[in-house]
Amino acid sequence: GDSVTQMEGPVTLSEEAFLTINCTYTATGYPSLFWYVQYPGEGLQLLLKATKADDKGSNKGFEATYRKETTSFHLEKGSVQVSDSAVYFCALRDRGSTLGRLYFGRGTQLTVWP
Amino acid sequence: DAGITQSPRHKVTETGTPVTLRCHQTENHRYMYWYRQDPGHGLRLIHYSYGVKDTDKGEVSDGYSVSRSKTEDFLLTLESATSSQTSVYFCAIMSSPEATGELFFGEGSRLTVL
Repeated sequence: GDSVTQMEGPVTLSEEAFLTINCTYTATGYPSLFWYVQYPGEGLQLLLKATKADDKGSNKGFEATYRKETTSFHLEKGSVQVSDSAVYFCALRDRGSTLGRLYFGRGTQLTVWP
Repeated sequence: DAGITQSPRHKVTETGTPVTLRCHQTENHRYMYWYRQDPGHGLRLIHYSYGVKDTDKGEVSDGYSVSRSKTEDFLLTLESATSSQTSVYFCAIMSSPEATGELFFGEGSRLTVL
């Protein structure tokens, strides 16, 4: 079945450090891939997405490239800020699914210190 | 921001009592979902709905039931709450999988079962 595996946290970085959060997936079809972010006390919100192989999603300085050959969608940011402290979730949706169900990874807690 | 309201936002109850969580949307989206979020598990799908009176089970549906009598409301009921159902519950909506596939989340309902 479809599933997502993302790196265990927590991740602790100093401000302006480089961030990578690894995400790999297993899917029977041709999934769309997403990164969601959850700030403290809030619901999840979409950070970026990619719908086909080699697409790059980007938003707020974050990027992720859909790599079909390695079944990966790693999240990167060149210079993190304290305000990026949050929990990050990788997710996939089989584009062949008519029910729109998303499968989420377990989340990675990121803390950025000034 | 997507118009999603969850109620109550916080609830403390005792084992064996019934609990109903409400999700209300003003977006007229067809698809609605209930997830629970627990440390180490990320988000897990409880139930979802793809239209009025059309619902189906997710991966952790035991002990939960849902109802959707109108487009805007999706109710999650715990018939007899147990301590294992202490969690944060998130409602999410989607316009259509054929479109962006983006989920919009409510702010969550924190349930504590004593």
